[in-house]
Amino acid sequence: DAKTTQPTSMDCAEGRAANLPCNHSTISGNEYVYWYRQIHSQGPQYIIHGLKNNETNEMASLIITEDRKSSTLILPHATLRDTAVYYCIAHIIQGAQKLVFGQGTRLTINP
Amino acid sequence: EAQVTQNPRYLITVTGKKLTVTCSQNMNHEYMSWYRQDPGLGLRQIYYSMNVEVTDKGDVPEGYKVSRKEKRNFPLILESPSPNQTSLYFCASSLRRGGRTDTQYFGPGTRLTVL
Repeated sequence: DAKTTQPTSMDCAEGRAANLPCNHSTISGNEYVYWYRQIHSQGPQYIIHGLKNNETNEMASLIITEDRKSSTLILPHATLRDTAVYYCIAHIIQGAQKLVFGQGTRLTINP
Repeated sequence: EAQVTQNPRYLITVTGKKLTVTCSQNMNHEYMSWYRQDPGLGLRQIYYSMNVEVTDKGDVPEGYKVSRKEKRNFPLILESPSPNQTSLYFCASSLRRGGRTDTQYFGPGTRLTVL
């Protein structure tokens, strides 16, 4: 899986949109961009994934640049419960299926 | 409710005393996997299973065993636990469709301390 780079930490005000960037400049054509989050020491929670097109679900939106070298996860109206470590993962969905978690971004939502 | 369950959630044991951490999923997923999480090292894959009776080593398999006799269960066995296996353990599962693995869903975790 390609290496991803994320800021170590970010802050966001409650009710505002949280935009979490991720660089994956060496991503290959068959690697998807996955986002998970981990609240405290709970199990990682799937958020969203995409290959080329922008994606949206009930939790978040994923914007992938045209060259696929970077992406942004958007939490449209952040709440205190969104405080977590967010992981961006470039992942091939064939083979060993191992998810490679980096250090992630620690997002703190402030009241 | 679709979920991955792990038991026990917390365990303190002593060196050398065999233990098993159970993992069960109710989503009929073919793929199951075990990870351990340690400070500064992130999540690392221990073992995985593509389907019943099919298991393979991940990145850190030493000191662990697994079995996959049924689709829903994937127990992690520590035959002779040592202090360096003190960690937070997660089980995950996903569907496999056409040779591809779908999104992985994680259990709540098992915090193991080996004294």
